[in-house]
Amino acid sequence: GAVVSQHPSRVICKSGTSVKIECRSLDFQATTMFWYRQFPKQSLMLMATSNEGSKATYEQGVEKDKFLINHASLTLSTLTVTSAHPEDSSFYICSANTKTAFEAFFGQGTRLTVV
Amino acid sequence: DQQVKQNSPSLSVQEGRISILNCDYTNSMFDYFLWYKKYPAEGPTFLISISSIKDKNEDGRFTVFLNKSAKHLSLHIVPSQPGDSAVYFCAASAGSGNTGKLIFGQGTTLQVKP
Repeated sequence: GAVVSQHPSRVICKSGTSVKIECRSLDFQATTMFWYRQFPKQSLMLMATSNEGSKATYEQGVEKDKFLINHASLTLSTLTVTSAHPEDSSFYICSANTKTAFEAFFGQGTRLTVV
Repeated sequence: DQQVKQNSPSLSVQEGRISILNCDYTNSMFDYFLWYKKYPAEGPTFLISISSIKDKNEDGRFTVFLNKSAKHLSLHIVPSQPGDSAVYFCAASAGSGNTGKLIFGQGTTLQVKP
């Protein structure tokens, strides 16, 4: 299957700082990528749809000014958690589709811990 | 509003037997369904999918059944192996060329005992 790489896999940051998470499609171009968040023992919740060359589309209840998404190229989307707080600690995962496959391919995820 | 529900948080089966994981959905606009397997601290891995125009799709040991009238789908794994132990997520999409946008169930933790 297609490969989606996410970096970093784990990050610890102090409250008030910003953290950037990268999501790359390694062997295909992705005009659309998706960002999910998972709390412990809960489902993956869609946060936003990242569109190459245009603004991201955020799901209801997700603060766009807090979770900045940039999709500058067909292979890279970034999620920046700004002014992070302990409640932002979570597992963040990105996904992307190839043009021919219906299934989404996921990155490895990023465990964010805000202290 | 949980549009995709997996009502069993966990399931334990003996190696070699059948594992049946269930999923219900409420949104009649969903037209594509997927099952993912996930290990802790990793992203989900795609297993198998089914379009709403079908009622069954089989891939090796994995078979997904879809009952549209009941808005219910299930994943059968047979024979189950210890390596199948993981969290299984059911996901649904409303399609229309945007099938990457998935709505996930809560997940079911499968344990296959040797």
